Amino acid sequence: EDKVVQSPLSLVVHEGDTVTLNCSYEVTNFRSLLWYKQEKKAPTFLFMLTSSGIEKKSGRLSSILDKKELFSILNITATQTGDSAIYLCALPSDLETSGSRLTFGEGTQLTVNP
Amino acid sequence: DAGITQSPRHKVTETGTPVTLRCHQTENHRYMYWYRQDPGHGLRLIHYSYGVKDTDKGEVSDGYSVSRSKTEDFLLTLESATSSQTSVYFCAISEYYTQYFGPGTRLTVL
Repeated sequence: EDKVVQSPLSLVVHEGDTVTLNCSYEVTNFRSLLWYKQEKKAPTFLFMLTSSGIEKKSGRLSSILDKKELFSILNITATQTGDSAIYLCALPSDLETSGSRLTFGEGTQLTVNP
Repeated sequence: DAGITQSPRHKVTETGTPVTLRCHQTENHRYMYWYRQDPGHGLRLIHYSYGVKDTDKGEVSDGYSVSRSKTEDFLLTLESATSSQTSVYFCAISEYYTQYFGPGTRLTVL
């Protein structure tokens, strides 16, 4: 059974701090790793990672994958109050019908205080 | 915006009543999914569909059924709602190995 573990589960920081969120995984057949941001609504897609060592970057957010050690990190620099959200890590696994299902971690609740 | 809507957005119902949630997509995606989200459990797959009339179970399918009579609509039914089904329900569609989510339905079963 595929498994995704995120840490920490909760994090409180001050504006301007840099944070690192962790996602470790066990999966039978690795395809990719996905990061989502969830505010008080639906998860929104951030990154898809497929190759080790290649950083994906979007503004102050960046993420990298280590397929040897089976983890990914999501970095947020110069945090703002608008970064407060739950950050979800997920891995797709193949379905018998050749689609994919996502296995999610529990998420990291990030709170950025002014 | 992946063109996904869900209805209703909020619902309060009583134990034992049937409930149907609707997911509608506008972009002709083959795969559609229903998840529930609960504190301490994250998002868990209930059922998914890989085409019209083609559906299968996810990891928490007990007490739920689904139907897909048209490409654009995927219905989730709780035949007899229980308090343990109080949750936020998300519909999703997939593109390759990425999934995009609808706005969610908050269901409360009293």
